[in-house]
Amino acid sequence: GQSLEQPSEVTAVEGAIVQINCTYQTSGFYGLSWYQQHDGGAPTFLSYNGLDGLEETGRFSSFLSRSDSYGYLLLQELQMKDSASYFCAVRDQGSNYQLIWGAGTKLIIKP
Amino acid sequence: DVKVTQSSRYLVKRTGEKVFLECVQDMDHENMFWYRQDPGLGLRLIYFSYDVKMKEKGDIPEGYSVSREKKERFSLILESASTNQTSMYLCASHAGVQRSGYTFGSGTRLTVV
Repeated sequence: GQSLEQPSEVTAVEGAIVQINCTYQTSGFYGLSWYQQHDGGAPTFLSYNGLDGLEETGRFSSFLSRSDSYGYLLLQELQMKDSASYFCAVRDQGSNYQLIWGAGTKLIIKP
Repeated sequence: DVKVTQSSRYLVKRTGEKVFLECVQDMDHENMFWYRQDPGLGLRLIYFSYDVKMKEKGDIPEGYSVSREKKERFSLILESASTNQTSMYLCASHAGVQRSGYTFGSGTRLTVV
């Protein structure tokens, strides 16, 4: 079957750095994406990795290793507003931009 | 910015009613999706559409149908609402460009009583 595994919950301290991991097992692969969702809100797109390596966007970075079927989202200088759920998603090869979704990681930030 | 608008934020319907959830996007995207989101179950794809009048079943299409008569509008229909369809419904669109992400609407929280 096709699946994405990510931790259900991660706790970190304000101002610290946190890494949210995602491993995937899919029949095809066309890139790994990350989304953020605040409680009661809609998911918003954060990043996309199509090739191996690190992509940086401000305080957020995302990494991909296709040989390991693994990626992570790195959040630096954590702020209370970063408290949210984070989803990884893989585009399956040959699909019409359908995504296979992880179950989400709830990030709890403590002052 | 792409905007995806869902017609209702909260909706309460009775069991057996026919329910229409509307979604409109303003950026000429070809791909549109309907998801439901339930605690602990993540995002589950109900239906998607990659062109006008084209539709494909997702993972959980039973009890639902869709309509895409115009490119900007993708409607989800609950033929006969049941209590197990109480959920958050999310519409999304995608530009069909590899590096771009989905743009989601703000969601419709549907309660079936």
